[in-house]
Amino acid sequence: GAGVSQSPRYKVAKRGQDVALRCDPISGHVSLFWYQQALGQGPEFLTYFQNEAQLDKSGLPSDRFFAERPEGSVSTLKIQRTQQEDSAVYLCASSFEGSHNSPLHFGNGTRLTVT
Amino acid sequence: KNQVEQSPQSLIILEGKNCTLQCNYTVSPFSNLRWYKQDTGRGPVSLTIMTFSENTKSNGRYTATLDADTKQSSLHITASQLSDSASYICVVSAGGGYNKLIFGAGTRLAVHP
Repeated sequence: GAGVSQSPRYKVAKRGQDVALRCDPISGHVSLFWYQQALGQGPEFLTYFQNEAQLDKSGLPSDRFFAERPEGSVSTLKIQRTQQEDSAVYLCASSFEGSHNSPLHFGNGTRLTVT
Repeated sequence: KNQVEQSPQSLIILEGKNCTLQCNYTVSPFSNLRWYKQDTGRGPVSLTIMTFSENTKSNGRYTATLDADTKQSSLHITASQLSDSASYICVVSAGGGYNKLIFGAGTRLAVHP
């Protein structure tokens, strides 16, 4: 596809369940970012990949959050033992390179609701 | 702490009117400043990007300004349309090894007929 694709669009999980969120970046994009966006707030950085290497995971809120990009394209964000405070929209973004002026292309996000 | 603050939080205007959204930042080192438009249920879409040396940049009816001395930016929307109803997010790129973005909370704009 032409843009960043995320699936599922919506996910409802019971507290304690594990979830996996998928991101298909634009083909050929080296850099991939995950963000968490709470209702009415701007996105907050979670983690950054350059190809398959996870270069920064300082934004992951706890060790229940894990992200991978094993072949340098598709990425998965996994949340174990979900809690209510994990409810948010999870946005994935990619760019052709990681330099500061690179345009960043966002997916439409996965809205996670933990009940 | 790196921060980006936007005002107002929300704004209602009538179709055809102009409006200006504000952004103040304390991000160091500074690399560039971007304005994004985010429609409900969608990801942010880039409107403008300005580096330290740029004072103004336009994209159709959107004009962004940057004062790097006072660390302020504004986004001016001319002749608003109903489709301009969205959140507008100011984003500052902090210098460093890669494109680390600091997002504001956004201004929610509603354009009424």
